[in-house]
Amino acid sequence: DQQVKQNSPSLSVQEGRISILNCDYTNSMFDYFLWYKKYPAEGPTFLISISSIKDKNEDGRFTVFLNKSAKHLSLHIVPSQPGDSAVYFCAASPNSGNTPLVFGKGTRLSVIA
Amino acid sequence: NAGVMQNPRHLVRRRGQEARLRCSPMKGHSHVYWYRQLPEEGLKFMVYLQKENIIDESGMPKERFSAEFPKEGPSILRIQQVVRGDSAAYFCASSPLAGVNEQFFGPGTRLTVL
Repeated sequence: DQQVKQNSPSLSVQEGRISILNCDYTNSMFDYFLWYKKYPAEGPTFLISISSIKDKNEDGRFTVFLNKSAKHLSLHIVPSQPGDSAVYFCAASPNSGNTPLVFGKGTRLSVIA
Repeated sequence: NAGVMQNPRHLVRRRGQEARLRCSPMKGHSHVYWYRQLPEEGLKFMVYLQKENIIDESGMPKERFSAEFPKEGPSILRIQQVVRGDSAAYFCASSPLAGVNEQFFGPGTRLTVL
């Protein structure tokens, strides 16, 4: 019973182009969404978040879009750089307070120089 | 300004032994979460603690697993009588008292059960 789904296990993008990572969720109680980046043998690093009252949040090269009616969010990275190569996890929680996160299985992004 | 610290980074145990994993949250953070990641899977929530209190242990297996976060010292995740299926990466995360739910993760402990 996967409440947060990342249906693409992997994605390859050329350096300088846009990377789009997708995430779907099934639980309508989710109200707060986060993206984490993870390198091998390290812990996840927080990238960007979005509350359900917004449909877009931007931070430098990273933008997250939320379509609440479709229960879908996406992370855009532009321009993509080789250092962005990592596993990206989408996570959700029922509010922005202190609650456990529900993670997707991750998408491995490879940025090719 | 140290981040979340976990030790050991790697732990090897034989079946039936005990495993103790430690987590020191970021300075000023009083909320600790433990997650487990199996190979090719996402992180799965296990337990959420504040100082001296277990807030939510809905993701914790009912037997052999326990967690604590004492008034002084690190949070401990304890696995008794380990089995091969316990082999995984265990991540600890912390968040501040009243901040948004941006959890900061440690580097993880990789447990291998022989």
